[in-house]
Amino acid sequence: GAVVSQHPSRVICKSGTSVKIECRSLDFQATTMFWYRQFPKKSLMLMATSNEGSKATYEQGVEKDKFLINHASLTLSTLTVTSAHPEDSSFYICSARDGGPNYGYTFGSGTRLTVV
Amino acid sequence: QQQVKQSPQSLIVQKGGISIINCAYENTAFDYFPWYQQFPGKGPALLIAIRPDVSEKKEGRFTISFNKSAKQFSLHIMDSQPGDSATYFCAASKGSSNTGKLIFGQGTTLQVKP
Repeated sequence: GAVVSQHPSRVICKSGTSVKIECRSLDFQATTMFWYRQFPKKSLMLMATSNEGSKATYEQGVEKDKFLINHASLTLSTLTVTSAHPEDSSFYICSARDGGPNYGYTFGSGTRLTVV
Repeated sequence: QQQVKQSPQSLIVQKGGISIINCAYENTAFDYFPWYQQFPGKGPALLIAIRPDVSEKKEGRFTISFNKSAKQFSLHIMDSQPGDSATYFCAASKGSSNTGKLIFGQGTTLQVKP
């Protein structure tokens, strides 16, 4: 089945630095990928929709300059948290459409970001 | 984004019992309704999904019931097991669109007691 690989699984960074999270579709091409943020014991909140070769579409209230998304190829999307602060600490999850007949959305395993 | 409402927030069921989680949606353009299971520290995993052209879908112990007119759908877990203890999310999207966004419900924490 469709597999999405997300790296790193955990990252700790100092306040003020930037962190990049990668999301790769391993066995399919994903023209569209999605980035979610999840707080402890809360639901997944959609941050942005990433389209290959074009600018990402951000949800209302999400700072595009803070969360930079690049979807340079059909198998890779990256989320960069710039000038990270402790309030950016969260669980970030990517998802990719596998293009199959069942409208499948495949999720990565998530990245736990801790900003100290 | 709060277009999918899920209840209950938490649920405790005895082993062998039936777990029932309900969701309601607002956007009539949604045409894909999946349920996900999530364990702590992991990404959500697809359990079962339904489209609005059917009223029920069953896969093993998991059944989705769908009521298009009421804009509601539910997940039934038959013969619940302790290993089913996890957080469950309903979701909805306009799946027929390549860029259709998947919107999640608030989640239900299920605990199955042995």
